[in-house]
Order: sequence, then C-alpha cells, then structure tokens
Amino acid sequence: DQQVKQNSPSLSVQEGRISILNCDYTNSMFDYFLWYKKYPAEGPTFLISISSIKDKNEDGRFTVFLNKSAKHLSLHIVPSQPGDSAVYFCAASDRGSTLGRLYFGRGTQLTVWP
Amino acid sequence: NAGVTQTPKFRVLKTGQSMTLLCAQDMNHEYMYWYRQDPGMGLRLIHYSVGEGTTAKGEVPDGYNVSRLKKQNFLLGLESAAPSQTSVYFCASSKHESLTYEQYFGPGTRLTVT
Repeated sequence: DQQVKQNSPSLSVQEGRISILNCDYTNSMFDYFLWYKKYPAEGPTFLISISSIKDKNEDGRFTVFLNKSAKHLSLHIVPSQPGDSAVYFCAASDRGSTLGRLYFGRGTQLTVWP
Repeated sequence: NAGVTQTPKFRVLKTGQSMTLLCAQDMNHEYMYWYRQDPGMGLRLIHYSVGEGTTAKGEVPDGYNVSRLKKQNFLLGLESAAPSQTSVYFCASSKHESLTYEQYFGPGTRLTVT
C-alpha cells in the first residue's frame, strides 16, 4: 500500500506561469518531506524539503507547502521555465524509526512549454 | 568529489544469467540504498544498508542480494535474472547524522533481461 501518493502523472504548464505539483501521504508518523527532480537518463536530484514543524519553505522559484491536518503537500514553481520540465518525486521520512529510509511517490511529469 | 557512481551504465542479460551492479560513494556516507524505477511505479526500495557489514530488505527484495563489505561500496546481485527485473536501477547514499536524510543518487544502470 503506497504511503506517498502523487495522483497526477503529468502536468503541462506554459512558460512564465505557476506550476503546482501535489502530494498526499497516509502515514501520520512522517515528519520530513522532500521533493526530487529527475531528468531523463540521470539520477534524481534533491530540490527542496520541509520539516513537519513548518508549513512553508521557500528557495528561489520553488516553494513547498505542508498541510499536516490534510496530510498534503504541494510544490509551487513560479515562474515556470522550460528547463523545469522533468519528473518530480515527492518523498517522506519518519526520522524516528526508519533509519534514513525515504518513501517515494510515483512521480509527476512536468512539461513547461514556451 | 565524484559523489555516487554506478557501474555499469547499461547491461543486457539473458534469462537465468547473473550479474552484479556496483555502487560507490566518496562522501563517507553511512547509509546506502538500491532502488528500481519502472514506468508509472516511482522509486521502489530493494535493499538498504545502515553501515558496513549490515543490510536490510526494502519494499521489493525478492530476486536480489546485496553486500556492503566496505563503507564506500554497495553491491546489488541478481543470481538468476528474469524479464521482470528489466528496470533502471539507482543507488543512493545519505549521512547518518543528517537531520534531513537527504539522499544522493547515482546516474542509474539500465538493465534489460531478455
């Protein structure tokens, strides 16, 4: 049973507009969340993260929002650029018990068109 | 720093053949992981290690074995390859003392079993 879910397999956005990628989780013990970005033929690379004690974390064009009561997080990219086209994975960790293990969603393919 | 490297990058096996995938990291990380990525399935954990000489099963361990004889290396073995093991394999590593458990990924090995 998947504990981290990304229900949208794909998202298409025009350059300059906002991209919103969503992620839901079921395990209430998760206390740290990460987003990874993956280009074809490359390994995933870390993008941004958020601790459960916060509800927002911002890094340049990327902002992650966390709604603990809804067990939902989202990644906002503003403004979107063609170079942002990639697969985005949401991941979660229960730092108290899983010894570094991350649980990944299935990914969302983002396409930013000019 | 090379980060996380994987050998080989590509491999084609026939059903029943065996092979070993090598992962090496030069960041002195304690934790290492093997994932497989299949279309629409995200990243699924095969096995992981929390230190030299230790290994543990992940989500999809059947048909694979691992060894961590040296801290910097994590080997993934397929004793008798099956077409269902056709996938892209990623190795990752992380620091034990990291509060974020951010994982650093290698570039992947694309394996085809015919």
